[in-house]
Amino acid sequence: AQSVSQHNHHVILSEAASLELGCNYSYGGTVNLFWYVQYPGQHLQLLLKYFSGDPLVKGIKGFEAEFKSKFSFNLRKPSVQWSDTAEYFCAVNAGTSGTYKYIFGTGTRLKVLA
Amino acid sequence: NAGVTQTPKFRILKIGQSMTLQCTQDMNHNYMYWYRQDPGMGLKLIYYSVGAGITDKGEVPNGYNVSRSTTEDFPLRLELAAPSQTSVYFCASSLGQGALEYGYTFGSGTRLTVV
Repeated sequence: AQSVSQHNHHVILSEAASLELGCNYSYGGTVNLFWYVQYPGQHLQLLLKYFSGDPLVKGIKGFEAEFKSKFSFNLRKPSVQWSDTAEYFCAVNAGTSGTYKYIFGTGTRLKVLA
Repeated sequence: NAGVTQTPKFRILKIGQSMTLQCTQDMNHNYMYWYRQDPGMGLKLIYYSVGAGITDKGEVPNGYNVSRSTTEDFPLRLELAAPSQTSVYFCASSLGQGALEYGYTFGSGTRLTVV
């Protein structure tokens, strides 16, 4: 069965620090990978996505992620800002016929100190 | 273009009461979903629908029911509210298979407390 693991539950960084949030998934076939962000009191918004092609994908607000063959899709940002304080969710879709739903990780709560 | 609209935003229920969480989308998306979000647990899929008249269970369907009579609406019903159903509920929609690259569009959520 598909599963998604985010091992960092809480991360605290100072502004300008670099960020890397881990996402590991278990599925050997074709996958579609997503990162969503949820700002305090708001709904989830799509940050970036990987379907095929260049394994390095760039999203909004300077975020990027790299698809790696060993089942990881870590989210990175070279220099975080206070406004990046939010909860981040990794999601996976197997991309096979009949699979219409995503599996979400448990989320990583990021706090950026000004 | 409103996207996905959920009502109400907040609700307090007593144990055993029933209620319906409303979800409407105006993007002509075929696929709609209900998730619940609990602290430290991520999002768990309750029910989903791939089109009008078609619904299916997700990971945590017990205690809930859904219907999909139109493409636009996907209400979630709680028949006998229990404290375990205290959560934040999100409705989402997507174009569907073949257009999954667009991801989900989420509603703003309903915060439900059962006392």
